[in-house]
Amino acid sequence: AQRVTQPEKLLSVFKGAPVELKCNYSYSGSPELFWYVQYSRQRLQLLLRHISRESIKGFTADLNKGETSFHLKKPFAQEEDSAMYYCALRGGGNKLTFGTGTQLKVEL
Amino acid sequence: EAEVAQSPRYKITEKSQAVAFWCDPISGHATLYWYRQILGQGPELLVQFQDESVVDDSQLPKDRFSAERLKGVDSTLKIQPAELGDSAMYLCASSLDQHLYGYTFGSGTRLTVV
Repeated sequence: AQRVTQPEKLLSVFKGAPVELKCNYSYSGSPELFWYVQYSRQRLQLLLRHISRESIKGFTADLNKGETSFHLKKPFAQEEDSAMYYCALRGGGNKLTFGTGTQLKVEL
Repeated sequence: EAEVAQSPRYKITEKSQAVAFWCDPISGHATLYWYRQILGQGPELLVQFQDESVVDDSQLPKDRFSAERLKGVDSTLKIQPAELGDSAMYLCASSLDQHLYGYTFGSGTRLTVV
């Protein structure tokens, strides 16, 4: 079975502060991890994927197989980062399993 | 920018009635997914198509839910009869290649069963 855990329902930070959205997964094989974002009144969209090892909108995420984690980080939060963030895992059968999401609120 | 189209955006139906949702994926995307998102939870896969074939419907409540993608292009998800617990957002997504690319999601259909 594959499972994704996002322990925080809500994360509130001040503008300019560092951000870390936590994601832990459970999967016996070699997983592929993603972060999806949903801005207010917009559709769910792909933010980044671990195999690309890229930085999107200042966000990065590193897959830590030892800790089974894929935390999303940004050094300086901006107001436009306020959104719902979902961590997702693609494992067996190419099934994409989502976490419950973390609402990020960036305050001025 | 190409989008996944879904209709209707909102649907209110009485319990025990039938309801159907439609999805038109991005042109050329062979893989199509239907997800259900209950308020406060992440999306949950209901069914996955590769062209016109069902690849995974293990989480689809087959006693009341059905999905089809007859010509391997657009798809319909049906619920009959609807129950109060079916109230949720129903999301459609498509992917060019399930192995290489992320999914592109539609804006969803919000279903309310009264």
